[in-house]
Amino acid sequence: SQTIHQWPATLVQPVGSPLSLECTVEGTSNPNLYWYRQAAGRGLQLLFYSVGIGQISSEVPQNLSASRPQDRQFILSSKKLLLSDSGFYLCAWSPLRGSSPLHFGNGTRLTVT
Amino acid sequence: AQTVTQSQPEMSVQEAETVTLSCTYDTSENNYYLFWYKQPPSRQMILVIRQEAYKQQNATENRFSVNFQKAAKSFSLKISDSQLGDTAMYFCAFMRVYNFNKFYFGSGTKLNVKP
Repeated sequence: SQTIHQWPATLVQPVGSPLSLECTVEGTSNPNLYWYRQAAGRGLQLLFYSVGIGQISSEVPQNLSASRPQDRQFILSSKKLLLSDSGFYLCAWSPLRGSSPLHFGNGTRLTVT
Repeated sequence: AQTVTQSQPEMSVQEAETVTLSCTYDTSENNYYLFWYKQPPSRQMILVIRQEAYKQQNATENRFSVNFQKAAKSFSLKISDSQLGDTAMYFCAFMRVYNFNKFYFGSGTKLNVKP
């Protein structure tokens, strides 16, 4: 069966520090991969998605970037964090084709101080 | 662009009662899927139910069922015999079926089940 791992679960970082959140998927090949952000009490905002290695699409201009160095690995990064980057980040995957729903990781709670 | 609207930021229901959460969407697509996700306090996103747009029959999963009105672009979730464990944020989601499956989420409805 397929599983998705996301880490760390929580992170407290000072303003101006770098960020690296990692997500890996097991049990499937060529998945679509996604990064979402959820602000407190709000819905999910799609940040990035990827259909393959090295292929990244950005939905909103921001201080963050994403990379997909391997088929089942998706990384969210920042060179210098802003206070506004605080939030709950969710990684998700779906099959390359078909009608399957999104499958989410457990999320990372990021607090920028 | 697709939009998903959940007009009820918060709702309450007594344990064992029935509650309906509303969702509307806007799209020009004809082939799509709709989902309801549950996010309990643990913040894990859990799939509750899914509906194919080409199917007229409403989906049902145990105590959860949907009322899908394609012409009205409405997709409500009914929870019967509410349980304390149903307390969570509920998100409606739209999936466009294209060369890439793109998902759009509503802003969520916080459901409180009271004992």
